[in-house]
Amino acid sequence: DTAVSQTPKYLVTQMGNDKSIKCEQNLGHDTMYWYKQDSKKFLKIMFSYNNKELIINETVPNRFSPKSPDKAHLNLHINSLELGDSAVYFCASSPGTGHRPQHFGDGTRLSIL
Amino acid sequence: DAKTTQPTSMDCAEGRAANLPCNHSTISGNEYVYWYRQIHSQGPQYIIHGLKNNETNEMASLIITEDRKSSTLILPHATLRDTAVYYCIVRALNTGTASKLTFGTGTRLQVTL
Repeated sequence: DTAVSQTPKYLVTQMGNDKSIKCEQNLGHDTMYWYKQDSKKFLKIMFSYNNKELIINETVPNRFSPKSPDKAHLNLHINSLELGDSAVYFCASSPGTGHRPQHFGDGTRLSIL
Repeated sequence: DAKTTQPTSMDCAEGRAANLPCNHSTISGNEYVYWYRQIHSQGPQYIIHGLKNNETNEMASLIITEDRKSSTLILPHATLRDTAVYYCIVRALNTGTASKLTFGTGTRLQVTL
């Protein structure tokens, strides 16, 4: 069974559109994350939620809005997509306390035309 | 979080031990050393972490120097499937119960026949 699953795996869309990426984890973790990996392969944190509460919000344009309906889900909605949003977006989860490893999904490759 | 320095790339023959170094000379007392790897087109995968003692699990061993300013990840018998980018990350707990992973550029390990 997939531990952290993201949908869709690939997303191709035009500039200006609004799109969502979904993430679900079946590990029973209470902390979830969104990371962005750009074309130069740098991987950076965007957001983190703990028990549906936003606890990390890096310098990300407010066109990006995470939503956590429950502990097992963290979705990412992006408004008015721009060319620079093209990247691979990774969802991750971890137990909320102590030094515990983060488990990553296989990513969503977003391409803006 | 402390900054890390890793070689850009390394080669290793299949079946041999792969020793991946990491320098983290500015590490502070409450920061752990984590290792993740990213196989092509997949999400990052946790390997191992430690504070000051050497650690071993089914994947690898982590050797941390006594002054904690550097560490080495050892894959005892590298296989072709170990070809990946390996990230050394220094991480402290902050922001409540979650802390972000700050990825550098990593070491690209190529395992060859």
